[in-house]
Amino acid sequence: GAVVSQHPSRVICKSGTSVKIECRSLDFQATTMFWYRQFPKQSLMLMATSNEGSKATYEQGVEKDKFLINHASLTLSTLTVTSAHPEDSSFYICSAPGENTQYFGPGTRLTVL
Amino acid sequence: AQSVTQPDIHITVSEGASLELRCNYSYGATPYLFWYVQSPGQGLQLLLKYFSGDTLVQGIKGFEAEFKRSQSSFNLRKPSVHWSDAAEYFCAVTINTGTASKLTFGTGTRLQVTL
Repeated sequence: GAVVSQHPSRVICKSGTSVKIECRSLDFQATTMFWYRQFPKQSLMLMATSNEGSKATYEQGVEKDKFLINHASLTLSTLTVTSAHPEDSSFYICSAPGENTQYFGPGTRLTVL
Repeated sequence: AQSVTQPDIHITVSEGASLELRCNYSYGATPYLFWYVQSPGQGLQLLLKYFSGDTLVQGIKGFEAEFKRSQSSFNLRKPSVHWSDAAEYFCAVTINTGTASKLTFGTGTRLQVTL
């Protein structure tokens, strides 16, 4: 089946720094990708929809200036958490749509100290 | 707005026992329904999905789910659980299956399997 990768799998950073997370579709092209956030013992919450060649669409309550999304090619979307704070610590997961389903990346664990 | 409820946060079953994970949805029409499994350090894997037709759907790893419109439910079942089934299970819905379809997830049920 289709594979989606994420890099890094785990990152620890200091408060105030920025962190970039990459999401790649390895064997297929994705004009759309989704970014989710999952807090401990909670469900996945959709943050934004990444669109190749155009601006991302953000869900209500998600700060677009804090969570920068760039969909530079048909196989790569990046999420940059700017000026990260401890409350941004979470598990970030991306997905790319396939035939009647979505293919999920393994996730990135972000810890902000 | 559509919503998904998984009433059981944590379930423990013995290996070899049967399993049923509950999922209820709230939506005006019949949504498209999914069950995903998430193992530690791994991405979500699709177990099965329901769009239309036969209300009993078969999935991978011996799982099945039954759509019951009258109860707005889509419960996941397995006749005999294996220790490797221990994981987090998520029910999800979407209102369409287009490439830009958004999934709404339930809060998840953590399955623990005792030997």
